[in-house]
Amino acid sequence: RKEVEQDPGPFNVPEGATVAFNCTYSNSASQSFFWYRQDCRKEPKLLMSVYSSGNEDGRFTAQLNRASQYISLLIRDSKLSDSATYLCVVIPMNYGGSQGNLIFGKGTKLSVKP
Amino acid sequence: DTGVSQDPRHKITKRGQNVTFRCDPISEHNRLYWYRQTLGQGPEFLTYFQNEAQLEKSRLLSDRFSAERPKGSFSTLEIQRTEQGDSAMYLCASSLASRETNEKLFFGSGTQLSVL
Repeated sequence: RKEVEQDPGPFNVPEGATVAFNCTYSNSASQSFFWYRQDCRKEPKLLMSVYSSGNEDGRFTAQLNRASQYISLLIRDSKLSDSATYLCVVIPMNYGGSQGNLIFGKGTKLSVKP
Repeated sequence: DTGVSQDPRHKITKRGQNVTFRCDPISEHNRLYWYRQTLGQGPEFLTYFQNEAQLEKSRLLSDRFSAERPKGSFSTLEIQRTEQGDSAMYLCASSLASRETNEKLFFGSGTQLSVL
């Protein structure tokens, strides 16, 4: 099983739609989670951290389910400018108990159409 | 510009040549990462430094790859005897890691390597 798995998509949605992405991770001791956004031919940029209690930033809501080992990203009222690839990121725990490096999923491509 | 900068933006080389890339992180950041990304894939971890110490290297990093961060500031990534499979975008990122902060990476624009 890969460390971080995402549905690659593409998700093609009309403007105004609500869309949700899931991401599963294999290391149950993982401790930090993020969503990054990557536009075509650009570098990844942090979209939001994911907290255990769930968190919201405007139209974006991120949630963590530790029992099932997945995180989700919900985008409400999607805009044309939301079209991008959304990368799930997990920081696993190493065997020695130290924090590992950031592991990226392959990304989920979103295309918002007028 | 106070972000992460990488040089060069593009590099075309012939198979068998050596190439070196440079990364200048955000000045107050203590961690510096190198990732590699190919089309349709997420960034793959190569190595990272905490200050000048190289703390972790991926198994992807063969003996042809070497990275340095001699003074805990800028870093270089060298690939010796390049192969066509080395063609990728090489991304550098930096972060300020501490017990209190949730580690957030800031990426540079990357160096696109094409090995002919």
